Amino acid sequence: QVQLVQSGTEVKKPGSSVKVSCKASGGTFSTYSYAWVRQAPGQGLEWMGRIIPSLGIVDFAQKFQGRVTITADTVTTTAYMELTNLRSDDKAVYYCASGNYGYPFDSWGQGTLVTVSS
Amino acid sequence: QPVLTQSSSASASLGSSVKLTCTLSSGHSYYIIAWHQQQPGKAPRFLLRIEGSQSFSKGSGVPDRFSGSYSGPDRYLTISNLQSEDEADYYCETWDSKTHVFGGGTRLTVL
Repeated sequence: QVQLVQSGTEVKKPGSSVKVSCKASGGTFSTYSYAWVRQAPGQGLEWMGRIIPSLGIVDFAQKFQGRVTITADTVTTTAYMELTNLRSDDKAVYYCASGNYGYPFDSWGQGTLVTVSS
Repeated sequence: QPVLTQSSSASASLGSSVKLTCTLSSGHSYYIIAWHQQQPGKAPRFLLRIEGSQSFSKGSGVPDRFSGSYSGPDRYLTISNLQSEDEADYYCETWDSKTHVFGGGTRLTVL
């Protein structure tokens, strides 16, 4: 089980992009799956996509295809999620979560609030 | 892909037990699921993974009051001896080779 620490609050304008980071420690970085899950105000959890660095696999929820990029830096043991063409309904807390491939997420980051406002 | 259905709310008295249900969609009744707890204003926390009808694997530090089970397409989270800190949203999660899916969540109120 790894510990995950995310970057801080972001305020963005509509049409811009945001990149959130997730620093992992306490485990073998490459062997885990790192996912991004968002939660709009008052709503439930929504899986956006994930990366498995050791396998070079990246998967996305269909809803976010073409708008989200997920990467991982094995040197700094940090995962990243970039969301482009931001809209007002992208306002949410974005969580990084990790787990072994084929298993559920057993570690969560503290969350990053992204606000989109003109 | 599988769909997970949860009741939107539940309530139970302090010190009692409660059983939350997560139902897998047709054709997916054999999937493994996990339960996560989200206390107000906090990040989710992994509770347990249900591996068999009475077999489950808990996360680090999760109290013994939490247990999991299943019957057919239904997956259960049972919380015994309810405490005030158990008042939270509870989400079930499942996955396949390409995707993860969450249920809509159940808000548990401790009376």
